[in-house]
Amino acid sequence: EVQLVESGGGLVQPGGSLRLSCAASGFAFSRHWMHWVRQAPGKGLIWVSRIINDETGTIYADSVKGRFTISRDNAKNTLYLQMNSLRDEDTAVYYCVRGGIVANAFDIWGQGTMVTVSS
Amino acid sequence: QSALTQPASVSGSPGQSITIPCVGTSSDVGSFNLVSWYQQYPGTVPKLMIYEDTKRPSGVSDRFSGSKSGNTASLTISGLQAEDEADYYCSSYATRRVWEFGGGTKLTVL
Repeated sequence: EVQLVESGGGLVQPGGSLRLSCAASGFAFSRHWMHWVRQAPGKGLIWVSRIINDETGTIYADSVKGRFTISRDNAKNTLYLQMNSLRDEDTAVYYCVRGGIVANAFDIWGQGTMVTVSS
Repeated sequence: QSALTQPASVSGSPGQSITIPCVGTSSDVGSFNLVSWYQQYPGTVPKLMIYEDTKRPSGVSDRFSGSKSGNTASLTISGLQAEDEADYYCSSYATRRVWEFGGGTKLTVL
């Protein structure tokens, strides 16, 4: 079964850091671009970042550029998101999302992990 | 404010057809054949419904179709059913090498 399982969310104070992980299984992880997408409570989807399949080539939304770092370990089939200098507005469910190959879109979504930034 | 513009809500009666527009610009929707649509029920994970403007993934009902004209993409749902009541989001790749989402449309089946 194709699966993405996020972990690492929680409550953090403004200015703090958190590292999210996403364990992939059931498919050739190293062949796919991977993304993080977030959704604040009661709000819409916001694309956060993408990393291409060979562990290089990253890009970020302006709102997180310079604060967040996406990375991957293809040997461990794991995607990461290092989040520093967190702000109240970063509070959201963070989804790990697979970039499709046959379907050039966000074709597989994890269940999400909640990040709450609050003092 | 989202980069792509969708109506906040649309509604229709069972059996009818509805269309949800997604308005972008020549830097995103109008530049690539990479508009996709996602269905999300409350408290659940988004599901891919349409990709590359008009293509439907295996397992998605043929009542769902995508189209595009210029900078506006559209999702049409025909033969509306109660189970179609959900939030729908469009997304597009953009020339800045980023991805964008619309603000989402809440579909109510009357």
